Amino acid sequence: AQSVTQPDIHITVSEGASLELRCNYSYGATPYLFWYVQSPGQGLQLLLKYFSGDTLVQGIKGFEAEFKRSQSSFNLRKPSVHWSDAAEYFCAVGGYGGSQGNLIFGKGTKLSVKP
Amino acid sequence: GAGVSQSPSNKVTEKGKDVELRCDPISGHTALYWYRQRLGQGLEFLIYFQGNSAPDKSGLPSDRFSAERTGESVSTLTIQRTQQEDSAVYLCASSSTSGRRYMNYEQYFGPGTRLTVT
Repeated sequence: AQSVTQPDIHITVSEGASLELRCNYSYGATPYLFWYVQSPGQGLQLLLKYFSGDTLVQGIKGFEAEFKRSQSSFNLRKPSVHWSDAAEYFCAVGGYGGSQGNLIFGKGTKLSVKP
Repeated sequence: GAGVSQSPSNKVTEKGKDVELRCDPISGHTALYWYRQRLGQGLEFLIYFQGNSAPDKSGLPSDRFSAERTGESVSTLTIQRTQQEDSAVYLCASSSTSGRRYMNYEQYFGPGTRLTVT
């Protein structure tokens, strides 16, 4: 069955430091991959997506992610974290089931930012 | 334009009561999804509507859960005889299906309804 693993439940980084959030997926073909961010009390906002083509994708708010087929990974990165980036981040995978469009989500990584 | 809206934002109900949650998708989006997010968990898919096709109900956890959608507009998720384990945030999302399959998966989420069953 398709699945998404985010191995880190909670990460704390200092403001200005670099960030990498890990995501691994289990899927038999090339998936569609997404990162969403959820601020407290808010819905999910799409940060970036990968469908095909260039494996390094750029998103909003200075985030990027790299699709590595050999590692079944789609890690999210940001070179310099801002305090406003504190939130929960969800990786999601789709692309199977005919016309069905539902996504499979990881359990999320909560990011805290130290001043 | 306006995003996905959901109402109410918060709902507290007693165990055994029925509740209705509402979702207004982005105008023109033909696909609509409901997800459930329990505390500390990721999102669980519940149900998917695509145009006039029969909905995909494969994620509904029990027959107490049902959902309807009128055409390509508003959807309501109904939970009958609520139980404490139904307490969660219920998120609605919509997407545009412009003929490209992957567009189904680029979903835009509403702010959610936080349901608390006491």
